[in-house]
Amino acid sequence: QQQVKQSPQSLIVQKGGISIINCAYENTAFDYFPWYQQFPGKGPALLIAIRPDVSEKKEGRFTISFNKSAKQFSLHIMDSQPGDSATYFCAARGPQGAQKLVFGQGTRLTINP
Amino acid sequence: EPEVTQTPSHQVTQMGQEVILRCVPISNHLYFYWYRQILGQKVEFLVSFYNNEISEKSEIFDDQFSVERPDGSNFTLKIRSTKLEDSAMYFCASSRSRNQPQHFGDGTRLSIL
Repeated sequence: QQQVKQSPQSLIVQKGGISIINCAYENTAFDYFPWYQQFPGKGPALLIAIRPDVSEKKEGRFTISFNKSAKQFSLHIMDSQPGDSATYFCAARGPQGAQKLVFGQGTRLTINP
Repeated sequence: EPEVTQTPSHQVTQMGQEVILRCVPISNHLYFYWYRQILGQKVEFLVSFYNNEISEKSEIFDDQFSVERPDGSNFTLKIRSTKLEDSAMYFCASSRSRNQPQHFGDGTRLSIL
């Protein structure tokens, strides 16, 4: 129940295309859902995050879509650029008072020029 | 922009030896965390630390592990009697409060021989 399942494991998108990464969870007590971006040799960097009381959050080219009833959330990268090539992790935290982040398995995204 | 700093970047240790991984969290942050990432696997929570005590820990964080904030700036993870399976990337993170985003360092790669 503490798992967050992420797909696909790897993704190749052409420059200018839309990259979509999906995550699903079981624990309805999760109350915070961040996405992290990780470049080789670096730590995860927070990209964007959402709480379950909203269905969508957009920051620049990055959008999280959240479906509470389906217990799924996804990251959309619009106008994908070669500089977006990285590993992306979804995560979840909760219930209230919990501090640990539960991470998905990661998606290696490659944007072809 | 302030960042979490981890040292060393790579630590090689003989099996059975003790190792200390060091972290300098962001200066006004009050919550501190350790995560690990075994090669090719997802990021896993180890422990969180607040007000000079452990506030949450995972089943991975057994008696082999300990954490300490020896002064006002450092946060350490000690692994006693290291095992081959302790080889991983260890990430330190910090946050201003429980509800604020967790910021990660670039990690220490621990190799047990």
